[in-house]
Amino acid sequence: DAGITQSPRHKVTETGTPVTLRCHQTENHRYMYWYRQDPGHGLRLIHYSYGVKDTDKGEVSDGYSVSRSKTEDFLLTLESATSSQTSVYFCAISEALAAGEGETQYFGPGTRLLVL
Amino acid sequence: GNSVTQMEGPVTLSEEAFLTINCTYTATGYPSLFWYVQYPGEGLQLLLKATKADDKGSNKGFEATYRKETTSFHLEKGSVQVSDSAVYFCALRNNNDMRFGAGTRLTVKP
Repeated sequence: DAGITQSPRHKVTETGTPVTLRCHQTENHRYMYWYRQDPGHGLRLIHYSYGVKDTDKGEVSDGYSVSRSKTEDFLLTLESATSSQTSVYFCAISEALAAGEGETQYFGPGTRLLVL
Repeated sequence: GNSVTQMEGPVTLSEEAFLTINCTYTATGYPSLFWYVQYPGEGLQLLLKATKADDKGSNKGFEATYRKETTSFHLEKGSVQVSDSAVYFCALRNNNDMRFGAGTRLTVKP
């Protein structure tokens, strides 16, 4: 299994508070991703990173920001959490973007976030 | 744009039954196609993949063939086991865009 950890694994917070989720990898993969998983929607990409300090938006980026100061860590921040951001958040990593063996994404165990 | 549509669940089968979960996609160019599986309380795990037309991905008795003419990547298994109970996601990757289907929950009863 790919070495990916997420912290915290569970969090309950109140509307309007800031929240930061952490993804840590030990695989030295260049690409890292944040997804949210909601019933009926599968997984949707929030943001991704293609290197240290290099990030880009995904399909559902509004209300989220990310940072990557080291290869191994990718942080997802909700500046002011809303109830619509209650979800399960998954981090993923891959070696490459282009088609081939390296493009496969490997997923972390997930963080369950509840915004009251 | 890119999108994936997969068969809605839930699907309930008896052990040793034949499984098909349908998946169709919309994409420009030549995407790679994936099936992921998610067991309760866990992240997604890659089950199989195919990167070009007519490729067949296979793993653990599951198979799927990349059909460009029908834009499909249906998942099949000849004889399911109770341990196959999980949620299955079809996905495509087209350059830096990754799209997932909504997932199909499979329950296999003894």
